[in-house]
Amino acid sequence: AAGVIQSPRHLIKEKRETATLKCYPIPRHDTVYWYQQGPGQDPQFLISFYEKMQSDKGSIPDRFSAQQFSDYHSELNMSSLELGDSALYFCASSIGGSTEAFFGQGTRLTVV
Amino acid sequence: SQQGEEDPQALSIQEGENATMNCSYKTSINNLQWYRQNSGRGLVHLILIRSNEREKHSGRLRVTLDTSKKSSSLLITASRAADTASYFCATDSFGNEKLTFGTGTRLTIIP
Repeated sequence: AAGVIQSPRHLIKEKRETATLKCYPIPRHDTVYWYQQGPGQDPQFLISFYEKMQSDKGSIPDRFSAQQFSDYHSELNMSSLELGDSALYFCASSIGGSTEAFFGQGTRLTVV
Repeated sequence: SQQGEEDPQALSIQEGENATMNCSYKTSINNLQWYRQNSGRGLVHLILIRSNEREKHSGRLRVTLDTSKKSSSLLITASRAADTASYFCATDSFGNEKLTFGTGTRLTIIP
């Protein structure tokens, strides 16, 4: 069965650079969530989209933005990167109204 | 903010033994889910239990939920080396589908 696809799997950026993370949800899933997991920490909710509209917002820095496109894939844009942004970034998808979310393998971002 | 706390933070047991992890949360929930994460990798969904359920089974997994105590437990029976991973509980609330994760339990199965 198709799963949530995230790209790239690994990304190394320098401070103050910009990064774009992509997420392709499971077909027919209309809801996308983004989570950030720092080293040794639990995942923290960043932002979610339902039917291409932002549905909820968590502890997402102003330097970050995200959107969901007409084909339901989502992108997380991160600017002015800081060392503290180094983390695993997970995308999850679900069918709207269902709380069973399926996670991608994550993008490991390292800021140097 | 952190909704759930899990204990123990780390657990080491012999292969074949049963492993029990606990999760406590603070606010009312709609569902509670358990996820497994191998080191630095993706989150694998294990089981979902709804707030009106008290117990659920899936293979070697047994989950209980006590909403009066705002706690849940995950039991893995007949543990295997491949069960070595971190286990997280995650909750959502009515009308809010985002997941709030607990701190996780790092389980090590000793062959």
